[in-house]
Amino acid sequence: GENVEQHPSTLSVQEGDSAVIKCTYSDSASNYFPWYKQELGKGPQLIIDIRSNVGEKKDQRIAVTLNKTAKHFSLHITETQPEDSAVYFCAASVNQAGTALIFGKGTTLSVSS
Amino acid sequence: NAGVTQTPKFQVLKTGQSMTLQCAQDMNHEYMSWYRQDPGMGLRLIHYSVGAGITDQGEVPNGYNVSRSTTEDFPLRLLSAAPSQTSVYFCASSYGSGGEKLFFGSGTQLSVL
Repeated sequence: GENVEQHPSTLSVQEGDSAVIKCTYSDSASNYFPWYKQELGKGPQLIIDIRSNVGEKKDQRIAVTLNKTAKHFSLHITETQPEDSAVYFCAASVNQAGTALIFGKGTTLSVSS
Repeated sequence: NAGVTQTPKFQVLKTGQSMTLQCAQDMNHEYMSWYRQDPGMGLRLIHYSVGAGITDQGEVPNGYNVSRSTTEDFPLRLLSAAPSQTSVYFCASSYGSGGEKLFFGSGTQLSVL
């Protein structure tokens, strides 16, 4: 079955710096790769996603890149702010509809001002 | 619009007891799923459903039962609770059929003594 590895497990940056989180997946049939942000005491929320027919997607300060050949994808956050501090999860789909997701173990991002 | 509602928020069980975690959504979503979240393990898929009357197993289904008699509800049953089932449980839903964004509930914190 699908396996998703996520690195690093913790990441500390200064406000204004960039942050990069990387994930690899094992099943070449996976076709949907979302990123979720989880704040303390809350459920995860989708921040950006990418499909297998696209190499890069941007939404303001957030971007995701996908390398299908290498089976890895990355989250890039530029100009980080203290409110970006949270746990970030990558995921890969295991069904065609993209609704059954296998998650990575998470990255705790701390942005200090 | 309540979104995804989970009850209870907190629960303490003794080993061997049974209970049902409730999940309801009012967005007319076809797809619903249950995840458990443990420290350092990320979110692991327990069971999911692509529509009323249809359920399937995820990564860690053992010890849990589900059914989907209506579009709105997707209860998770623990037949004989074990300490290894101590976790935070999240229910999630989405439109399915290409609408992949998952909407998560606020979670149920379960302790099994």
